Amino acid sequence: AQSVAQPEDQVNVAEGNPLTVKCTYSVSGNPYLFWYVQYPNRGLQFLLKYITGDNLVKGSYGFEAEFNKSQTSFHLKKPSALVSDSALYFCAVRDMLMNTGFQKLVFGTGTRLLVSP
Amino acid sequence: DAGVIQSPRHEVTEMGQEVTLRCKPISGHNSLFWYRQTMMRGLELLIYFNNNVPIDDSGMPEDRFSAKMPNASFSTLKIQPSEPRDSAVYFCASSPGTGGRGNQPQHFGDGTRLSIL
Repeated sequence: AQSVAQPEDQVNVAEGNPLTVKCTYSVSGNPYLFWYVQYPNRGLQFLLKYITGDNLVKGSYGFEAEFNKSQTSFHLKKPSALVSDSALYFCAVRDMLMNTGFQKLVFGTGTRLLVSP
Repeated sequence: DAGVIQSPRHEVTEMGQEVTLRCKPISGHNSLFWYRQTMMRGLELLIYFNNNVPIDDSGMPEDRFSAKMPNASFSTLKIQPSEPRDSAVYFCASSPGTGGRGNQPQHFGDGTRLSIL
C-alpha cells in the first residue's frame, strides 16, 4: 500500500523566514502527492498537488512543494512565513483500491507549523 | 460556490444513544468520503462512496457504525449505540472526477465534533 511519512510533529519558524515541512513517500509506481492545511476548527483545505511534470509545484497562499524522486520526498516550502500560516499540515498520497480502479487518499500524521511574530 | 456542508457542527450525547451525522457534498461531485480525526489515531478514512454506491468501507470500525448515501446530495453516518471512544471530529469530503479515478482534490466540510459522555 502507498504511504507517506511526516517526520516532524511540529515545526517552529519566525515570521519572515523560509519554512519547510517535510514529507517522504513510499509508493509502487508513479506517486500522486498532495498537501492540505487545516486551521483550527476547520476542515482540511487543498494546497497543491503533484501528478507529473515540473518537480516544483506552486499552490495556494504562496506555498510550493518540491518533488524529489531520488529522495522520495515532497517537502512543502514557503519563502517567507506569516503568522497566519500557523496551522496543521498534511501530506497525502493517492492509493488505488485493489481491482476497482478507484482511488483514495492516504494521509500522513500531520505537522503542526508554528510561526512566531 | 457552497462547500461541503456538515451538520451538526457539535454533538454531545450520552453513551448508548444513537448519533446521526449529516453531509451535503458539493453539487456535481460524485465521490464522497467520511473521515474520523482523533489525536491518537490521526485522520482515518471510514467509508468512500462513488455515485452513491459504497466502494470501500474497510475503515468502518465496528458494526455500530453505518453510512448511507440515498442520493447524490446527501449522506449520513450513524453510530448506534454510541460509546465514549467514538468521541472525535468526523469529516465529510467530496471530489469530482470520473468514477473516482481522477486526480482532483477532495473538498472537506468543517466537521462535526462529537462528544460521547
